[in-house]
Amino acid sequence: AQSVSQHNHHVILSEAASLELGCNYSYGGTVNLFWYVQYPGQHLQLLLKYFSGDPLVKGIKGFEAEFIKSKFSFNLRKPSVQWSDTAEYFCAVKDTGRRALTFGSGTRLQVQP
Amino acid sequence: DGGITQSPKYLFRKEGQNVTLSCEQNLNHDAMYWYRQDPGQGLRLIYYSQIVNDFQKGDIAEGYSVSREKKESFPLTVTSAQKNPTAFYLCASSPRAGGEVNTEAFFGQGTRLTVV
Repeated sequence: AQSVSQHNHHVILSEAASLELGCNYSYGGTVNLFWYVQYPGQHLQLLLKYFSGDPLVKGIKGFEAEFIKSKFSFNLRKPSVQWSDTAEYFCAVKDTGRRALTFGSGTRLQVQP
Repeated sequence: DGGITQSPKYLFRKEGQNVTLSCEQNLNHDAMYWYRQDPGQGLRLIYYSQIVNDFQKGDIAEGYSVSREKKESFPLTVTSAQKNPTAFYLCASSPRAGGEVNTEAFFGQGTRLTVV
């Protein structure tokens, strides 16, 4: 069965610091990859997605992620975080075997002003 | 406004009672999903449905049941057999099913269930 690992459970950064959140998955076949964000009190929103093509994908609010197939990774990055980026971030994978998203355990990001 | 509606937002039930959580979507999506969110565990898949009158168990289906009689509705029943039902439940939908995987999921606002 597919599994998704997010290694950072709680990250605390100061504004303007750079961010990188790790995500690794287990399935070796064709996958679609996603990062979702959950701001306090709000519903889960899509940040970015990778289906095929350029492994560097850009999403909303200045976020980007890089798919590295050989490492089974899809790390999320942002050059300079803002206080408004405080949220929980989830990596998710969809594979051809089970057409439903498998999520990681999430990373809580706290940005201090 | 198109979207996914989960009701109610907060739900309280006594232990031993079954409870049904509502999920309705007007996005004309084929696939619908139920997830459970617990602190530190991310979202875990309970049940999913790719088409009307069909559904599959996810990773933690025990103690839950679903139905998919209409395309727009996918209610989840939390039965008394569910050992630890207190959680945040999220419903989602995707626009295409069948052979396509290149679709994202859209989420509702969630229902927080507390069993006392």
